[in-house]
Amino acid sequence: DIQMTQSPPSLSASVGDRVAITCRASQNINRYLNWYQQKPGKAPRLLIYLTSSLQSGVPSRFSGGGSGTDFTLTISSLQPEDFATYYCQLSYPTHTFGQGTKLDIK
Amino acid sequence: QVQLLESGPGLVKLSETLSLTCTVSGGSIAGYYWGWIRQPPGRELEYIGYVHDTGTANDFNPSFTSRATVSLDMSRSRFSLRLTSATAADTAMYYCARLDKNGYYDHWGQGILVTVSS
Repeated sequence: DIQMTQSPPSLSASVGDRVAITCRASQNINRYLNWYQQKPGKAPRLLIYLTSSLQSGVPSRFSGGGSGTDFTLTISSLQPEDFATYYCQLSYPTHTFGQGTKLDIK
Repeated sequence: QVQLLESGPGLVKLSETLSLTCTVSGGSIAGYYWGWIRQPPGRELEYIGYVHDTGTANDFNPSFTSRATVSLDMSRSRFSLRLTSATAADTAMYYCARLDKNGYYDHWGQGILVTVSS
């Protein structure tokens, strides 16, 4: 089974900061990697699909990159509404999620 | 805009079958994949399984293969999850979602909390 490992598990940052969250796969997954945002009590929201494609309606301050085993979600300038938990998810051959990264206000 | 809504009992007895339904509105169920994801309290998302509208494509997390079934009712625009032999570890928020053929979940239900207890 392919394991997905996110780092860091938690992150404190300030409004306006640039932050990066990493997801590492236990084997080569090409570009089959997606990112979601989840706020407390809400369903996850798709942000980025297939490594770097921005989902419709998602602000351009969110971006994704990587390939093979190492991937990154970057938020260029944190806004108050961005404080949430972020998950990576494998697209193929199955749909394993990472353990999540909780982003909170410093 | 596609909308999904989970329904089912919020309380299931130990060893019984957990059954949930997801009703799709605002779009067609045909031509898409449909899946279930759960989240135990305070924990991460956990993929359960999905089904294609033809019923020919089906995949499950190995952790659920022997206990889970996902089925479609095209006439009622809904799909269902059955999880047999429920234990306390199945207590979670259960989400249904639309799955794009490229393997990402682009529309989600609001979730339904299911508690498994005696």
